[in-house]
Amino acid sequence: NAGVMQNPRHLVRRRGQEARLRCSPMKGHSHVYWYRQLPEEGLKFMVYLQKENIIDESGMPKERFSAEFPKEGPSILRIQQVVRGDSAAYFCASSLPQGAGSGEQYFGPGTRLTVT
Amino acid sequence: QKEVEQDPGPLSVPEGAIVSLNCTYSNSAFQYFMWYRQYSRKGPELLMYTYSSGNKEDGRFTAQVDKSSKYISLFIRDSQPSDSATYLCAPHTGGFKTIFGAGTRLFVKA
Repeated sequence: NAGVMQNPRHLVRRRGQEARLRCSPMKGHSHVYWYRQLPEEGLKFMVYLQKENIIDESGMPKERFSAEFPKEGPSILRIQQVVRGDSAAYFCASSLPQGAGSGEQYFGPGTRLTVT
Repeated sequence: QKEVEQDPGPLSVPEGAIVSLNCTYSNSAFQYFMWYRQYSRKGPELLMYTYSSGNKEDGRFTAQVDKSSKYISLFIRDSQPSDSATYLCAPHTGGFKTIFGAGTRLFVKA
């Protein structure tokens, strides 16, 4: 019974390159969240998606960041033209649909992005 | 004012101590009160949650919510070095959006 999977676990990019982070939710979960965590800081909500639909992207920076959750395959968080300030741990979580259960989220191990 | 306030610590206690971790919140619409535990360089994991006011006990852990004062607590009895982690309170309204506190770093010394 696999949990939430994220890859890669570590990603190093030079300034200006693109970063693609992948997340496969738990089996049976159709809703995915992305969070960013800076060192010594809490989790910052970025985006909430269900398959083929972005439900809330109020936490996403207006430029360079995008997310998708296609009908088939993992959810992707894409960061274009990365800058040093994008260096952080990015966590994906999945849950049952809203209203089903208490809303608990199950987190993946995270992708640690380092921009050099 | 932040929706959820949590003292970041660090909090350092000897093994066997009773630990009290706390959060305050401002949104009276919060109904579910979650506690997540995050070990260093790992993803958060759900520890326990309560619905509305009251207490909930699970082994050495007790979660307490006082909605009248908008105060959330997590108590750890007989603390162990393996409890050393960051604890995040995370209330939500029953919808999809969970608001995470900044987390309190706990160190339990053997």
